[in-house]
Amino acid sequence: DTGVSQNPRHKITKRGQNVTFRCDPISEHNRLYWYRQTLGQGPEFLTYFQNEAQLEKSRLLSDRFSAERPKGSFSTLEIQRTEQGDSAMYLCASSLEGWNEQFFGPGTRLTVL
Amino acid sequence: AQKVTQAQTEISVVEKEDVTLDCVYETRDTTYYLFWYKQPPSGELVFLIRRNSFDEQNEISGRYSWNFQKSTSSFNFTITASQVVDSAVYFCALSGDTGNQFYFGTGTSLTVIP
Repeated sequence: DTGVSQNPRHKITKRGQNVTFRCDPISEHNRLYWYRQTLGQGPEFLTYFQNEAQLEKSRLLSDRFSAERPKGSFSTLEIQRTEQGDSAMYLCASSLEGWNEQFFGPGTRLTVL
Repeated sequence: AQKVTQAQTEISVVEKEDVTLDCVYETRDTTYYLFWYKQPPSGELVFLIRRNSFDEQNEISGRYSWNFQKSTSSFNFTITASQVVDSAVYFCALSGDTGNQFYFGTGTSLTVIP
């Protein structure tokens, strides 16, 4: 396995448009996480899945954000009606259950004009 | 509440110097894990080390060493004989007793000057 992959790597969109990002985790990992990282900050937790169940969501996650992991494999993160404040790097990570280290993907950089 | 503080925003050292990156954490959990990640200019976070709250032994891996002290809630990271390839942003992270999410510090940007 080559690690966590994310697509697209870059996305430029106009304010008000919807965007969707995809994450493919390491195949044997049952946990999948989404984070947001802005310049000069560490990753901020958004949500995580154990298999197909979304078990926790951050209060940072407004109702314009939705994430799915339909078959417990890949995951998508959708942002509706994007705002300029959504511009950030969106990181996906996966891990085995428990306190295991998370392995991160390269991220999707979103720019909202 | 879980919190990680990395007070050093930026550090510059000359190649071959030793450098220590500080990490202070806050948690009320008795079981927790601490992590260090490296984020090189390419952007992908790379896992370096994991340490649980019951293991205060220091660890050395090549030029890297970690000093975990529960008494001061610190988990510091030392690079010995720094190299230009060590230039990156380094993040300390905490995972509490549920193991469900990581809390990251704001990172320390290390520049190693040749």
